[in-house]
Amino acid sequence: AQSVTQLDSHVSVSEGTPVLLRCNYSSSYSPSLFWYVQHPNKGLQLLLKYTSAATLVKGINGFEAEFKKSETSFHLTKPSAHMSDAAEYFCVVSRLYNFNKFYFGSGTKLNVKP
Amino acid sequence: DTAVSQTPKYLVTQMGNDKSIKCEQNLGHDTMYWYKQDSKKFLKIMFSYNNKELIINETVPNRFSPKSPDKAHLNLHINSLELGDSAVYFCGAAKSPGLAGTGNTGELFFGEGSRLTVL
Repeated sequence: AQSVTQLDSHVSVSEGTPVLLRCNYSSSYSPSLFWYVQHPNKGLQLLLKYTSAATLVKGINGFEAEFKKSETSFHLTKPSAHMSDAAEYFCVVSRLYNFNKFYFGSGTKLNVKP
Repeated sequence: DTAVSQTPKYLVTQMGNDKSIKCEQNLGHDTMYWYKQDSKKFLKIMFSYNNKELIINETVPNRFSPKSPDKAHLNLHINSLELGDSAVYFCGAAKSPGLAGTGNTGELFFGEGSRLTVL
């Protein structure tokens, strides 16, 4: 079985400071992992994905995530937050090469203070 | 061109009515999904179709009936709408299994969502 736990429902940072959004997964198989972002009243946009290639994955808008199998984690980071990063972020796991089902975390709302 | 498009974007209706949401994708992917996002932003899968065949059917009331006339379309019909059906419904599309090594990175592409409000 697969599941995703996003450890923080809300994260608040100041503009210009680092962002860390935590995600732990559980998977019986080799996982594919994704981070999606949802801005208010918008759809979901893919930030980055891990599919068994490099463990450090770079995405759009300066975000990156590192796949750590020993820790079953896929935390999302950004060195310097921007006001436009304020949004809801979802960590997603699916079975590697079996994409019939995508499991979503409960989401982390990122607030960026000026 | 929008990869996954849903209509309508907003839908306000009375309890007991029947309504439909349509979804079309031009990615050429053969698996499509319906997700429901509640007021707490939690995304729950409802259905998935692969090449017009139902492959995932979560515990959803049978008032919800998906229909896939072809692999580019997946519509959602809801009968006898209830207050609890109010949510944002997202359509998604992805490549099916077995295409590894052919550039299949497996992500799910979403539509913009359809916000359903039942009064």
